Amino acid sequence: AQTVTQSQPEMSVQEAETVTLSCTYDTSENNYYLFWYKQPPSRQMILVIRQEAYKQQNATENRFSVNFQKAAKSFSLKISDSQLGDTAMYFCAFMNNAGNMLTFGGGTRLMVKP
Amino acid sequence: DAGVTQSPTHLIKTRGQQVTLRCSPKSGHDTVSWYQQALGQGPQFIFQYYEEEERQRGNFPDRFSGHQFPNYSSELNVNALLLGDSALYLCASSWRGQAFKNTEAFFGQGTRLTVV
Repeated sequence: AQTVTQSQPEMSVQEAETVTLSCTYDTSENNYYLFWYKQPPSRQMILVIRQEAYKQQNATENRFSVNFQKAAKSFSLKISDSQLGDTAMYFCAFMNNAGNMLTFGGGTRLMVKP
Repeated sequence: DAGVTQSPTHLIKTRGQQVTLRCSPKSGHDTVSWYQQALGQGPQFIFQYYEEEERQRGNFPDRFSGHQFPNYSSELNVNALLLGDSALYLCASSWRGQAFKNTEAFFGQGTRLTVV
């Protein structure tokens, strides 16, 4: 079974600064997918960024980028130029190659301060 | 496109009762997954439905059951409710087509179930 661990329950960052959220996972599979989801107070999970394990290049989506270290089983999220709207819970998630379920970490609560 | 819709948004039930939650997937999606999110925790996978059959199940008791209809919508049923079943129940839809591995799961806003 896969496990996903987020070691930072809460983090804060000043508006316009950069913050990095950590995630580690454990799996015996070689091909899989990793995701970062954002959950604002509205409760809806919103996909921020995804990474295919077979791709060496780190994924980027505008102000969001990841540092994927496959050997270390690490998948951190970097948010650049933080905005007040980035305030939310962030969840790291793993999907196996069969693509039939997501395994989530416990989440990191991010507060962006003005 | 209405996205993934869930009903009801909030629900209060008494211990021992039964509850049914509903989910309509995003247009074009044929697969529905259900997750339970306890307060302050990450979502936990309950099960996934595709072609009206349960395809994968997480570590949940048989009190949790589901159904998928020909129009791809889905229901989650929980029998003999326990206080510990109080949680946010999230529905996610995706497309299990040829490019399934490249699709993302779209989530609804969830149903907040409180068992008293």
